[in-house]
Amino acid sequence: DADVTQTPRNRITKTGKRIMLECSQTKGHDRMYWYRQDPGLGLRLIYYSFDVKDINKGEISDGYSVSRQAQAKFSLSLESAIPNQTALYFCATAGTKNTGELFFGEGSRLTVL
Amino acid sequence: DAKTTQPPSMDCAEGRAANLPCNHSTISGNEYVYWYRQIHSQGPQYIIHGLKNNETNEMASLIITEDRKSSTLILPHATLRDTAVYYCIVIHYGGATNKLIFGTGTLLAVQP
Repeated sequence: DADVTQTPRNRITKTGKRIMLECSQTKGHDRMYWYRQDPGLGLRLIYYSFDVKDINKGEISDGYSVSRQAQAKFSLSLESAIPNQTALYFCATAGTKNTGELFFGEGSRLTVL
Repeated sequence: DAKTTQPPSMDCAEGRAANLPCNHSTISGNEYVYWYRQIHSQGPQYIIHGLKNNETNEMASLIITEDRKSSTLILPHATLRDTAVYYCIVIHYGGATNKLIFGTGTLLAVQP
């Protein structure tokens, strides 16, 4: 089983719908991240969390919210999805010893029609 | 965190060494250089990191210039499976600014 699991892996939704992407990890890491990837734009950081009570905005947090329900779970929500949020979303974790070594999930492909 | 500059794409012949450059001229003394790669829409994979000394592991070697303003990732014997986008990022350990910002990377195409 993967150490970092994202659900759903694929989702097609309509404009205005609420969507939640979930991430869970078995690595025991405190740090968790949500990234978005669009073709030709690399990965852009949406939100990150260094522990359960810590939430920080990244480069492109507008239109998104997150919830750190437990050390192992970090969810990303789109309250009212719009077509330009169509992208590939990645969750990642990092430990506190080597904080630059991220472990990524397999990605969640979201299409907003 | 310091910004990095990488060429958008490079080619390499299978079996030859692939040398991927990265410029990080604004790097500060306590920032590390990290390399990741992403194989077609999979999650990025950590490769190697360093502070100022050259580093080697089972995947690659990292050469950092003495002034630390640039580095080179070396894949000694590239295979077709090494075709991927390679990201160079610079981070400062610890603190609230450890955001790990990825750029657009270098697309390495290994040719048969």
